[in-house]
Amino acid sequence: EAGVTQFPSHSVIEKGQTVTLRCDPISGHDNLYWYRRVMGKEIKFLLHFVKESKQDESGMPNNRFLAERTGGTYSTLKVQPAELEDSGVYFCASSHARTLGRGYTFGSGTRLTVV
Amino acid sequence: RKEVEQDPGPFNVPEGATVAFNCTYSNSASQSFFWYRQDCRKEPKLLMSVYSSGNEDGRFTAQLNRASQYISLLIRDSKLSDSATYLCVVNEEGFQKLVFGTGTRLLVSP
Repeated sequence: EAGVTQFPSHSVIEKGQTVTLRCDPISGHDNLYWYRRVMGKEIKFLLHFVKESKQDESGMPNNRFLAERTGGTYSTLKVQPAELEDSGVYFCASSHARTLGRGYTFGSGTRLTVV
Repeated sequence: RKEVEQDPGPFNVPEGATVAFNCTYSNSASQSFFWYRQDCRKEPKLLMSVYSSGNEDGRFTAQLNRASQYISLLIRDSKLSDSATYLCVVNEEGFQKLVFGTGTRLLVSP
């Protein structure tokens, strides 16, 4: 089966610009998660979708971040306007309801650099 | 205090050596425990789940001590390909989010 796909793999934008990251989960996975790792820190949870609904968005840093999952398939994470501290690697992961608690499959990430 | 604490390393070991990593977690409500492996500039990949009874997968053995809130990973007969960052990960029952440690870097040399 195809894995979790993220696009773009890299993005360099200027402070104040907008960037949209996309994640395509494994087909049939209702659960979709966004995580990010900023330089020198641990990977941190951003939010969790179950189908198209936001189940937990406690990790979203501020209202400059907007995540959507229309139709319960792919998801987008928009950062508007981007700030320098938003630089990092954004990972998406997905899981099937039947494999809760058994770990997730991560995408290869989007490396975002804000200059 | 971080929710999951790991020694960042690096651990430099020769091929064939046995190496152990430890991790502590602060949330006593944590119910699921994992070791992930992350290669440089790659995504984390599940190495193994960790069960209270301890579990083994080939050269890898994981142990969990709930009373001490302590998780370990033992790698026997290290290979060059084991060089990576090992991430200790937990999650709380009823919650889907994973909590990561910063990772322990392992370098296996010839």
